[in-house]
Amino acid sequence: GAVVSQHPSRVICKSGTSVKIECRSLDFQATTMFWYRQFPKQSLMLMATSNEGSKATYEQGVEKDKFLINHASLTLSTLTVTSAHPEDSSFYICSARDGTSGTAQYFGPGTRLTVL
Amino acid sequence: KQEVTQIPAALSVPEGENLVLNCSFTDSAIYNLQWFRQDPGKGLTSLLLIQSSQREQTSGRLNASLDKSSGRSTLYIAASQPGDSATYLCAVKSNQAGTALIFGKGTTLSVSS
Repeated sequence: GAVVSQHPSRVICKSGTSVKIECRSLDFQATTMFWYRQFPKQSLMLMATSNEGSKATYEQGVEKDKFLINHASLTLSTLTVTSAHPEDSSFYICSARDGTSGTAQYFGPGTRLTVL
Repeated sequence: KQEVTQIPAALSVPEGENLVLNCSFTDSAIYNLQWFRQDPGKGLTSLLLIQSSQREQTSGRLNASLDKSSGRSTLYIAASQPGDSATYLCAVKSNQAGTALIFGKGTTLSVSS
């Protein structure tokens, strides 16, 4: 089956630093990748949708200058949390859509970000 | 805007019980509905996917039904086991191409032995 990986799985950083999270589709080409955020005891909330080679589309309330998304290839998308603050601490999950097999989305294992 | 609601938010049952988790959505123009399992601090495991034209899907002890017109889905778990303890998330995908899944807040299930 299709596999999506995320790296790192867990990261702790100081307030004010930037953190990059990678999302890779390992055995398929992901024409579209989605980034979700999940706060404790809350559901997944879509942050942005990125299509390979174009700018990401951000959901209302998500700061595009703070959460930089790059989808430069069909197998890799990155989310960079710039100038991280403690309130950015969350569980970030990506999903990738296989453009050749319809609408199926495959989820990564998530990245736990803790900002001190 | 699509909204997904799951009831109950939490559920505790003894081992062996059959149980039903509920999911409702406000916009019936969906492409499919999916049930996921999430263990604490972990990613998502897809359990069942129901296309909009289908009424139900079954996998082992799990059965999911879909009533698109009324905006409802149920996940039935038969003969629950402690290993079923997790959060169960319902998510819908709209008919629009390229759209993401919209998730409910989940039902946290605890099965005691």
